Amino acid sequence: GQQVMQIPQYQHVQEGEDFTTYCNSSTTLSNIQWYKQRPGGHPVFLIQLVKSGEVKKQKRLTFQFGEAKKNSSLHITATQTTDVGTYFCAGLTGGFKTIFGAGTRLFVKA
Amino acid sequence: NAGVTQTPKFQVLKTGQSMTLQCAQDMNHEYMSWYRQDPGMGLRLIHYSVGAGITDQGEVPNGYNVSRSTTEDFPLRLLSAAPSQTSVYFCASSYDLRLGQGGTYEQYFGPGTRLTVT
Repeated sequence: GQQVMQIPQYQHVQEGEDFTTYCNSSTTLSNIQWYKQRPGGHPVFLIQLVKSGEVKKQKRLTFQFGEAKKNSSLHITATQTTDVGTYFCAGLTGGFKTIFGAGTRLFVKA
Repeated sequence: NAGVTQTPKFQVLKTGQSMTLQCAQDMNHEYMSWYRQDPGMGLRLIHYSVGAGITDQGEVPNGYNVSRSTTEDFPLRLLSAAPSQTSVYFCASSYDLRLGQGGTYEQYFGPGTRLTVT
């Protein structure tokens, strides 16, 4: 079946360092979304990418959608302790099913 | 608006017992879904619905039933609980994903139900 692979599984950074998580889908996606989940919380929507090659920015966060619409990345510049949590990508298939990646858990040391 | 609500927050079941996890949303969203979250495996789609009276299976539907009699409610039933169903269950809702390009179909998640089956 369709899979969305996400790497790395964990990332430890010093506050102020950059962070990147990557997603790769086995098939072409209609769109890709990114969510953040704080420890003990529920996933919260960050952004949606739809177009091939699309790049969107939210303050220190930069999101990219690959040209083939099969991969995506989230880059955080100068991490802060408030960035801790797990970041998930979620790909929408040609149907109505959303397939989540396994997530990247970010630890930030002050 | 309360958003997406789930009950109960915690539940312990014995193997073989049945129960229903409740999910409700007050945003008039057409699309609702159930996920389970296990360590290291992200969120896996159990069942979803694109509107009242319409449901379909996700990645891991076995052992679970759903129905959608109203737009607001989407209960998840465990028929005969097994230890493998120990997990955190999230319900989510979204605008209709069948709409054309241009919309943002973010999913709004409930707070989750932590289920333990012994």
